[in-house]
Amino acid sequence: GQQLNQSPQSMFIQEGEDVSMNCTSSSIFNTWLWYKQDPGEGPVLLIALYKAGELTSNGRLTAQFGITRKDSFLNISASIPSDVGIYFCAGREGQFYFGTGTSLTVIP
Amino acid sequence: NAGVMQNPRHLVRRRGQEARLRCSPMKGHSHVYWYRQLPEEGLKFMVYLQKENIIDESGMPKERFSAEFPKEGPSILRIQQVVRGDSAAYFCASSPSGTANYGYTFGSGTRLTVV
Repeated sequence: GQQLNQSPQSMFIQEGEDVSMNCTSSSIFNTWLWYKQDPGEGPVLLIALYKAGELTSNGRLTAQFGITRKDSFLNISASIPSDVGIYFCAGREGQFYFGTGTSLTVIP
Repeated sequence: NAGVMQNPRHLVRRRGQEARLRCSPMKGHSHVYWYRQLPEEGLKFMVYLQKENIIDESGMPKERFSAEFPKEGPSILRIQQVVRGDSAAYFCASSPSGTANYGYTFGSGTRLTVV
């Protein structure tokens, strides 16, 4: 299967800080997705990206589809405690392949 | 509730027993995907099914694992003769078509523990 690497692996931040995480792949993808997984639950879709260079926002979340189509980043502004969870990127080649995840902890 | 339903939420099996995991896709969705998540790891694709057909099983272990999605009823992921290494969370996702670029809807998962 495809290999998607996310960094950082984990983050501990203060409430109110901005967060940035990224995802890189050895393969070109035509679609990038970002999901969030709360403890004990399944992943929930946050943002979908379809075009190289595309920048998409969803509330405090902003994601970009890299020009090379081999990477994507996700920013969260003004973090709040409920942002805690694991964030996964996913790229499509046939099926969706998921990254290794970035675990986010927000300290009140 | 029109979400992806998985049951059971938690399943405990002794080594050597069989595990059956069920998934009912969202209403109107005819494509089902199974993923496995080991502790502290990401989601690994296992198998993609349509009604009565296996489309892609490239992620399925060659032995002991099988999946089906019958014409009627839920999709079933079956693990025979479970071993400790099978302990993981198994997630099912569905989409209305195989070309769903907008991603999949996931269920809450079945957490399998092999003792």
